[in-house]
Amino acid sequence: ETGVTQSPTHLIKTRGQQVTLRCSSQSGHNTVSWYQQALGQGPQFIFQYYREEENGRGNFPPRFSGLQFPNYSSELNVNALELDDSALYLCASSPDRSSGNTIYFGEGSWLTVV
Amino acid sequence: SQKIEQNSEALNIQEGKTATLTCNYTNYSPAYLQWYRQDPGRGPVFLLLIRENEKEKRKERLKVTFDTTLKQSLFHITASQPADSATYLCAPLGTGRRALTFGSGTRLQVQP
Repeated sequence: ETGVTQSPTHLIKTRGQQVTLRCSSQSGHNTVSWYQQALGQGPQFIFQYYREEENGRGNFPPRFSGLQFPNYSSELNVNALELDDSALYLCASSPDRSSGNTIYFGEGSWLTVV
Repeated sequence: SQKIEQNSEALNIQEGKTATLTCNYTNYSPAYLQWYRQDPGRGPVFLLLIRENEKEKRKERLKVTFDTTLKQSLFHITASQPADSATYLCAPLGTGRRALTFGSGTRLQVQP
């Protein structure tokens, strides 16, 4: 049990639609990262938020956006969904943005785009 | 470009034996390297972190080595058990980097 909770756990969307995924980070953690994991692959970094500001971004298009709230919970929004967006979306929290910190993953949200 | 390689084929071993998983990286100078365990349909779980100035790190039945000259980390599970069956991911991390870069993982299957 990592203390990181994500919702929803599973969802199905149609191509072109928009989706919002939510994450509640571990208590006391001010840094949240989002990862996309396709079947058979390792997680790929989407972006990180630190104290409500984006603090780094991976190689994902602008239709992937995020928010972090004052309580450090976070959202991942994906617009204009494509079939290739079907994946497990993982949220991870850490005590701060320093390198070398242990990060704690949630169980993920499975997104299927049809 | 940076590349992380883990054995893509599953590793099958007998219960009680030592499992050794390999993580090789290129075009990369990580200050840290982390290992995670991931069960099917679940999020990764942190196991061990080793720093570039550490050659070896142990935790219970787990041992990780980090050879910055070979650009390789080895992950060992001694006295393996069927409950150790999972996918194991390595993730090198450079100082100041914001994000972990994961390998695609190696699936370990421990036969009773």
